[in-house]
Amino acid sequence: NAGVTQTPKFQVLKTGQSMTLQCAQDMNHEYMSWYRQDPGMGLRLIHYSVGAGITDQGEVPNGYNVSRSTTEDFPLRLLSAAPSQTSVYFCASRATGASNQPQHFGDGTRLSIL
Amino acid sequence: QQQVKQSPQSLIVQKGGISIINCAYENTAFDYFPWYQQFPGKGPALLIAIRPDVSEKKEGRFTISFNKSAKQFSLHIMDSQPGDSATYFCAASMEGQNFVFGPGTRLSVLP
Repeated sequence: NAGVTQTPKFQVLKTGQSMTLQCAQDMNHEYMSWYRQDPGMGLRLIHYSVGAGITDQGEVPNGYNVSRSTTEDFPLRLLSAAPSQTSVYFCASRATGASNQPQHFGDGTRLSIL
Repeated sequence: QQQVKQSPQSLIVQKGGISIINCAYENTAFDYFPWYQQFPGKGPALLIAIRPDVSEKKEGRFTISFNKSAKQFSLHIMDSQPGDSATYFCAASMEGQNFVFGPGTRLSVLP
């Protein structure tokens, strides 16, 4: 009963380093998305995907890349980490179709950029 | 027009009291309004949701009230318990579009 799994749970990077945040879901959901959560800002959409091979930008895409080669996986890449990217990152998935399909979230990756 | 406003930012309630969180939206095309509950160190989890064709939905101690003409909806937590202490997010969506989340309300229920 895994749902949405995110790794790692915690990460500390130095400015300029790159890394990939992993996200996997086992519910065969077509739609997957990445959010960042900052105090007082709620959940802001970074990138999303409506299916394998299809990705699009959200509200705050700069500094992040995504790819979707399989239905299950949706990694988020930081190309050159900056202190402004210190945040908690959540991956989510949901079934497509009617709008009343709930989002299922992972438990997040807490990322600190020094 | 895509924004969802949420208030208050934080809320302190005594055990047994009623917690009320309010949200407002602009886009009348939204047709699904969920509330998510988030505990520290965890991701948000769906708590309760409503469609605009009903004015109220109740699940246990949690009730959503929906006012379509005012474009507002609220979450009521009856008999609030310390275990309800969490951050609550309202959201809105429509078919084929991304969810839009409110900024969140941090609820503390005092024992």
